[in-house]
Amino acid sequence: NAGVMQNPRHLVRRRGQEARLRCSPMKGHSHVYWYRQLPEEGLKFMVYLQKENIIDESGMPKERFSAEFPKEGPSILRIQQVVRGDSAAYFCASSPRPATTGNTEAFFGQGTRLTVV
Amino acid sequence: GESVGLHLPTLSVQEGDNSIINCAYSNSASDYFIWYKQESGKGPQFIIDIRSNMDKRQGQRVTVLLNKTVKHLSLQIAATQPGDSAVYFCAENRRGGSYIPTFGRGTSLIVHP
Repeated sequence: NAGVMQNPRHLVRRRGQEARLRCSPMKGHSHVYWYRQLPEEGLKFMVYLQKENIIDESGMPKERFSAEFPKEGPSILRIQQVVRGDSAAYFCASSPRPATTGNTEAFFGQGTRLTVV
Repeated sequence: GESVGLHLPTLSVQEGDNSIINCAYSNSASDYFIWYKQESGKGPQFIIDIRSNMDKRQGQRVTVLLNKTVKHLSLQIAATQPGDSAVYFCAENRRGGSYIPTFGRGTSLIVHP
């Protein structure tokens, strides 16, 4: 059973370009979380999605950032018109259970390291 | 706002010593906690979890203690090895009204051979 797969592992974008980060959850998992991690910092929650639904996006910036988790295919975190401050590691986690139960253990991918130049 | 925080940002120990990493949480509604280990360049890896109806749980070389009275968690690693060097995060499964893993800043554990 493959773990959570994220790609690309490293992404370099120029200011103003778009970044697309992909996350394939573990088999059988239909709940996905995206986090951002700056150097020497903890993981900051961005968005929680179930298949075809955004459940909680309270941690995601209102502008330029969007996320989706279609019925088929990976979850996508999209950052439009990137700025240098978007440089960070972006982690995806998946869970087999919804975030309405207490024991929602989340399994993480290896992350995508975005560098904006 | 409510948050999960750690007392010590860096902990240095000698190989073979026992390590204790502490974590404070402030959301009294939190009822499930996880410790993660993150090695350089990798994603967080699950170590051990504990529910709020327990005050202690043991794994292989690791023990998690939960004190709900003072909202405090600790991770104890026995006979620490160089491979244990990493950043350790505690996470609580509460964010506002929903169960979303919420992380503290992390503690860097450095094990000297």
